[in-house]
Amino acid sequence: QSVLTQPPSVSAAPGQKVTISCSGSSSNIGNNYVSWYQQLPGTAPKLLIYDNNKRPSGIPDRFSGSKSGTSATLGITGLQTGDEADYYCGTWDSSLSGGMFGGGTKLTVL
Amino acid sequence: QVQLVESGGGLVKPGGSLRLSCAASGFIFSDYYMSWIRQAPGKGLEWVSCTTSGGSNMYYADSVKGRFTISRDNAKNSLYLQMNSLRAEDTAVYYCARHWGSGFAFDIWGQEAMVTVSS
Repeated sequence: QSVLTQPPSVSAAPGQKVTISCSGSSSNIGNNYVSWYQQLPGTAPKLLIYDNNKRPSGIPDRFSGSKSGTSATLGITGLQTGDEADYYCGTWDSSLSGGMFGGGTKLTVL
Repeated sequence: QVQLVESGGGLVKPGGSLRLSCAASGFIFSDYYMSWIRQAPGKGLEWVSCTTSGGSNMYYADSVKGRFTISRDNAKNSLYLQMNSLRAEDTAVYYCARHWGSGFAFDIWGQEAMVTVSS
């Protein structure tokens, strides 16, 4: 069981918006930057968001990240069928002196 | 182009050892922290270990502490993971990944190395 808690699954219709939450504690999300990844079946994860809310070059602004206290949220607008994937949050834990990922959320675009 | 190419995966018996390598190209390897991340079949991502840019500091997940050793050779643009006392639960796809930004984020991932621990 992951220290970072994500919903196992979320779903929405094409064109709609969805949010994926990532809940932690003061030793991880509360005091460290959060990143988000998209993993399509059979491929390596792809960085979507880093430093809580920054997008790497090439990531469309349909993807956004935010953090409040010990929780973080990934938002995806204008959903496309190609967005169907597993999504993971990640951060550092200052107490453990180690990194961690959430358990992952499977996004279904209905 | 910027890429990470892994090698060294394979089948090993419980209690055995294996060394993964990750060759970097297309960027100044010595400027970046690097990590190993794994994913067991059908499971989520698990961070394994990271090393600072100069290789002077290393960090490990509790699940591998004392058994795995991360190292790097900046002259050879290479990252390594020495895995000893392997267990069935170490069976996973292993990725090397480049750190990005101010915190815990990875922008470049290797193509994966499969490690299977089975008798």
